[in-house]
Amino acid sequence: DAGVIQSPRHEVTEMGQEVTLRCKPISGHNSLFWYRQTMMRGLELLIYFNNNVPIDDSGMPEDRFSAKMPNASFSTLKIQPSEPRDSAVYFCASSFGNSPLHFGNGTRLTVT
Amino acid sequence: SQQGEEDPQALSIQEGENATMNCSYKTSINNLQWYRQNSGRGLVHLILIRSNEREKHSGRLRVTLDTSKKSSSLLITASRAADTASYFCAWMDSSYKLIFGSGTRLLVRP
Repeated sequence: DAGVIQSPRHEVTEMGQEVTLRCKPISGHNSLFWYRQTMMRGLELLIYFNNNVPIDDSGMPEDRFSAKMPNASFSTLKIQPSEPRDSAVYFCASSFGNSPLHFGNGTRLTVT
Repeated sequence: SQQGEEDPQALSIQEGENATMNCSYKTSINNLQWYRQNSGRGLVHLILIRSNEREKHSGRLRVTLDTSKKSSSLLITASRAADTASYFCAWMDSSYKLIFGSGTRLLVRP
């Protein structure tokens, strides 16, 4: 298996623009997680899905952030409009049940 | 912040020495996990210890868990330069969310 695949690896955008981050989880995994990593705040859980259904989005910082999982093999995290404070590395991870998480290599987002 | 605490924040040791990292968490847990992150990469799972276990070994890794103190430790024995990375503990709470600690940056000098 190719593992969790995230795209793009790097995204540079201007403040106010819409940003869409993409994730393909490992086939057969039924849980998907979006995390954000910054030096100041460490790894923060933004939202997680179970069987394509959002279970807990309490970590989503603002209404500017939204996440979808239209099917078991694809998820998106959208920021609209983006702000400089959204600059971070965004990780997607998947798992089966309560097994350990498998992480993608992240998307480094820079908002100028 | 969602995190508990890890200490030390950074650790520098000589190759061959042992490295110990500590983690404290805040809630009841189902299990506690340790992950490793190399620079510019995603996290990789190392070891999982369940709430009813006190100690677990995997190769050069030894993990302990004290649920009464809400703490865990990771010991890496006979460290190698390739062990240089950041190490994170993570605990699964009662709602099955995995919450990460603040991490320890380990440098193993050759």
